[in-house]
Amino acid sequence: EVQLVESGGGLVQPGGSLRLSCAASGFTFSSYWMHWVRQAPGKGLVWVSRINSDGSSTSYADSVKGRFTISRDNAKNTLYLQMNSLRAEDTAVYYCAREGVDIVATRLASYYYYYMDVWGKGTTVTVSS
Amino acid sequence: QSVLTQPPSVSGAPGQRVTISCTGSSSNIGAGYDVHWYQQLPGTAPKLLIYGNSNRPSGVPDRFSGSKSGTSASLAITGLQAEDEADYYCQSYDSSSWVFGGGTKLTVL
Repeated sequence: EVQLVESGGGLVQPGGSLRLSCAASGFTFSSYWMHWVRQAPGKGLVWVSRINSDGSSTSYADSVKGRFTISRDNAKNTLYLQMNSLRAEDTAVYYCAREGVDIVATRLASYYYYYMDVWGKGTTVTVSS
Repeated sequence: QSVLTQPPSVSGAPGQRVTISCTGSSSNIGAGYDVHWYQQLPGTAPKLLIYGNSNRPSGVPDRFSGSKSGTSASLAITGLQAEDEADYYCQSYDSSSWVFGGGTKLTVL
């Protein structure tokens, strides 16, 4: 079964740090790009970060750039999110998600689609004094 | 403030058809980037519902359909069922970032 399981959430004081983990199973983790997405209490989904399959390329939302670092260990089938200088507004459920890809071929062309096709159940981060 | 705009809520009776709009701009949907839709049932993680504007992953009923035109996209649900009550999110790409709509809460009356 394809599965993502997040861990590492908890209560942390403003200015503190936390490292989230996402354990992948049931698929070839090293072949997929991965994401972190968060959801503040009662709010919508917000994309946080993305990493390519070998970890050599990363991107971040402006709100976390310079404070959060995404990384992965393909030997351990695990995705990470190192969160530093945490703020109250970082309080959220953090989901990891797999980036799936599909190729739809028509008579005229082929189209590549990239989307988040597998999600974990999330881990809760609370930033409060 | 989300880059993609969705109505906060929609509702419909069982068996009816509802649509959820997702309005973007020339820097995201209008630039040709694809739109994907996710369903989030209460207390659960999001689930992919529609990808590439109008494609359904295996296992998603054909009651769900998506479309895109210009700077907007839409999700349509026909034959509304009680278990469709959930939050729905559109997602696209803008300025090197993946972006979500603010979400729409669907209530089945």
